[in-house]
Amino acid sequence: RKEVEQDPGPFNVPEGATVAFNCTYSNSASQSFFWYRQDCRKEPKLLMSVYSSGNEDGRFTAQLNRASQYISLLIRDSKLSDSATYLCVVKRGGSYIPTFGRGTSLIVHP
Amino acid sequence: GAVVSQHPSRVICKSGTSVKIECRSLDFQATTMFWYRQFPKKSLMLMATSNEGSKATYEQGVEKDKFLINHASLTLSTLTVTSAHPEDSSFYICSARPHENTEAFFGQGTRLTVV
Repeated sequence: RKEVEQDPGPFNVPEGATVAFNCTYSNSASQSFFWYRQDCRKEPKLLMSVYSSGNEDGRFTAQLNRASQYISLLIRDSKLSDSATYLCVVKRGGSYIPTFGRGTSLIVHP
Repeated sequence: GAVVSQHPSRVICKSGTSVKIECRSLDFQATTMFWYRQFPKKSLMLMATSNEGSKATYEQGVEKDKFLINHASLTLSTLTVTSAHPEDSSFYICSARPHENTEAFFGQGTRLTVV
């Protein structure tokens, strides 16, 4: 089983839709969680960290479920500019090396 | 905010030649930098961890003699793809973080095409 797994998609949604991605991780010692956004042929950029209590940033909400070992990203009121690949990143406690999921592709159409 | 600069952004080279990619942390010191490779529609795969002043740590399956890493200063790491072949064509990205528990900042990436 891969350490970090994501549904590659693509998720094809209309503008204004709400879409959710999940990411599962296999190592229960994982302690830090992030969502990165990567545009085509560009470097990944941090979208948001994921905290145990869940956190929200505008239209984006991230949740962590330690019991089931997954994190989620919810995007409300999707915009065309949200089209990108969303990478789940997990870091084990005591390790400085992050592990990336393969990414979930989102396409928002008019 | 912290910025990592990678150069060149795009390179085309002939088979058998070597290509050097630079990764610089512009406003922080990075004792550790990471080199990733990404094939189309695939995840970022860690190739190696670059350590300032010491040898790089390579991931399993990555040839250290083919992918030479030099971390000569606290702000610069280089990756040299030696004797490049078409199968080395990929997107190479470096990253660094100011502190262990902070976010990682990525270079812009280098798209290598070997013809």
